[in-house]
Amino acid sequence: GDSVTQMEGPVTLSEEAFLTINCTYTATGYPSLFWYVQYPGEGLQLLLKATKADDKGSNKGFEATYRKETTSFHLEKGSVQVSDSAVYFCALSDQGAGNKLTFGGGTRVLVKP
Amino acid sequence: NAGVTQTPKFQVLKTGQSMTLQCAQDMNHNSMYWYRQDPGMGLRLIYYSASEGTTDKGEVPNGYNVSRLNKREFSLRLESAAPSQTSVYFCASMHAGQGGGNQPQHFGDGTRLSIL
Repeated sequence: GDSVTQMEGPVTLSEEAFLTINCTYTATGYPSLFWYVQYPGEGLQLLLKATKADDKGSNKGFEATYRKETTSFHLEKGSVQVSDSAVYFCALSDQGAGNKLTFGGGTRVLVKP
Repeated sequence: NAGVTQTPKFQVLKTGQSMTLQCAQDMNHNSMYWYRQDPGMGLRLIYYSASEGTTDKGEVPNGYNVSRLNKREFSLRLESAAPSQTSVYFCASMHAGQGGGNQPQHFGDGTRLSIL
């Protein structure tokens, strides 16, 4: 079945540092890929998505490129802020019956001033 | 602009008690989902409803039942709660038309459930 693997956290950074969160996937067919963010006490919010190979999703300074050859969708941000402290989830959609999402385990990011 | 609304936000149950978690969305979405979130395991799909009138099992359906009451509402029931069901439960919805797998799911704020 489908699976998503992302780096374990927590990741602790100083403000303005560079952030990378690795995500790799296993899927049949051609899934869509997503990054969701969860702030404390809240539900998940879509951060960005990519629907086909070589697509780059971007939002709020975050970027991720759909790499079919390496089955990866790594999340990057060039200069993090304290407000970026959250849990980040990589996910894929099977685009089949029900358009179900498969999630990675989540990576907690803590940005210190 | 409410989006996806879950009730209650917190609940404590004793082993063997039953309860229903409620979820409603106001975005006219046709698909709805129930997930549980456990530390280090991401979100796992319990049940989903691809359209009004249909429900299907997800990855971890044992111990749960669901009802798609109408297009807006999708409830999750624990008939006899067990400590292993202590978790945070999230409801989500999406519009799944043509190319629906490209659309994001919209999540509620969750129900934090503890079973003693």
